[in-house]
Amino acid sequence: DAKTTQPPSMDCAEGRAANLPCNHSTISGNEYVYWYRQIHSQGPQYIIHGLKNNETNEMASLIITEDRKSSTLILPHATLRDTAVYYCIVSNNAGNMLTFGGGTRLMVKP
Amino acid sequence: NAGVTQTPKFQVLKTGQSMTLQCAQDMNHNSMYWYRQDPGMGLRLIYYSASEGTTDKGEVPNGYNVSRLNKREFSLRLESAAPSQTSVYFCASSSRRGNYGYTFGSGTRLTVV
Repeated sequence: DAKTTQPPSMDCAEGRAANLPCNHSTISGNEYVYWYRQIHSQGPQYIIHGLKNNETNEMASLIITEDRKSSTLILPHATLRDTAVYYCIVSNNAGNMLTFGGGTRLMVKP
Repeated sequence: NAGVTQTPKFQVLKTGQSMTLQCAQDMNHNSMYWYRQDPGMGLRLIYYSASEGTTDKGEVPNGYNVSRLNKREFSLRLESAAPSQTSVYFCASSSRRGNYGYTFGSGTRLTVV
């Protein structure tokens, strides 16, 4: 699976959009981009995933560049409860064998 | 609908003791996984089971064994616990294609003294 690079930490003001970047320059054609988050010491929570097209669900939007070498997770109106570590993961189309890197620690501030 | 249930939630072992961590899912998922997470680190895959009857090593399998008892249950065994195995252990499951991602349990916090 391709490796990903994320900033170790980011801050965001409550109510503003949080834009979390991820670089995955070695992604191959059949690999998806997955995003998970982990709040405190809870088990990671699935957020969203995509292959080529931009995706949106009730939690977030995923923007994937045309060359697929990078992506951005967007939380449109961040709340304090969105404070967490966010993991960007690239994996095959079966979604198996997810490899978690260090992630981005997002701090949402009042 | 409980999702993924792990037991116990907390455990303290002495070096050399053995124990089994239990995991069960009620979502009819085919694949199940065991990860460990050390303080301040990301998750590392220990073992996984792509389907009932199969198991494979992940990134850090040494010191562990697993059993896929049936489609619902996937256990992780420490035969002779070591302080280096102090960690939080997460079990997860997914459908074969993983189109809706993994579902994780709440974790087992294990301390080996």
